[in-house]
Amino acid sequence: GENVEQHPSTLSVQEGDSAVIKCTYSDSASNYFPWYKQELGKGPQLIIDIRSNVGEKKDQRIAVTLNKTAKHFSLHITETQPEDSAVYFCAARGGGTASKLTFGTGTRLQVTL
Amino acid sequence: GAVVSQHPSRVICKSGTSVKIECRSLDFQATTMFWYRQFPKQSLMLMATSNEGSKATYEQGVEKDKFLINHASLTLSTLTVTSAHPEDSSFYICSASADRHYGYTFGSGTRLTVV
Repeated sequence: GENVEQHPSTLSVQEGDSAVIKCTYSDSASNYFPWYKQELGKGPQLIIDIRSNVGEKKDQRIAVTLNKTAKHFSLHITETQPEDSAVYFCAARGGGTASKLTFGTGTRLQVTL
Repeated sequence: GAVVSQHPSRVICKSGTSVKIECRSLDFQATTMFWYRQFPKQSLMLMATSNEGSKATYEQGVEKDKFLINHASLTLSTLTVTSAHPEDSSFYICSASADRHYGYTFGSGTRLTVV
């Protein structure tokens, strides 16, 4: 089955700096890669996603890049703000008829003033 | 946008009793619903996948007789934790999808504490 690795596990940046979180996946047939933000005691919230036919996607301060050859994708947050502090999870959906997501291990982002 | 409502948000139950958690898609028809379990400072672990009107597919190691999943309609799925024990205490999260080409919307989670 699919295996998703995520790094780093914790990340501390100063307000205004950029943050980058990286994930790798194992199933070359995976075709959908969402990123979620989870605040304490809440369910995950989708912040951006990318499909396998696209190499990059941007939404204001957030961008995701996908390298299918290397089987890795990254989340980029620019001009970080304190409210960006949360746990971020990457996920991948395998190919074929399977529809389930496999999650990475999470990155705890701390944006300091 | 798509909204999934999950209830209750918190529940405390006595060891040996059963607890039911509801997951409703409010503005779309969810052909597939997923149930996850999350321990503190860990990732989401998929427990089972359910398609409307069909039996749920459980992940390896998840006891189907302990975690009963019902997906009787396109807008409602329930997870019942039977004969709960303290080790079942966890954060349970549901997710719903209209089809595999659609995205996934997550509920707000249920904090289960078994005493």
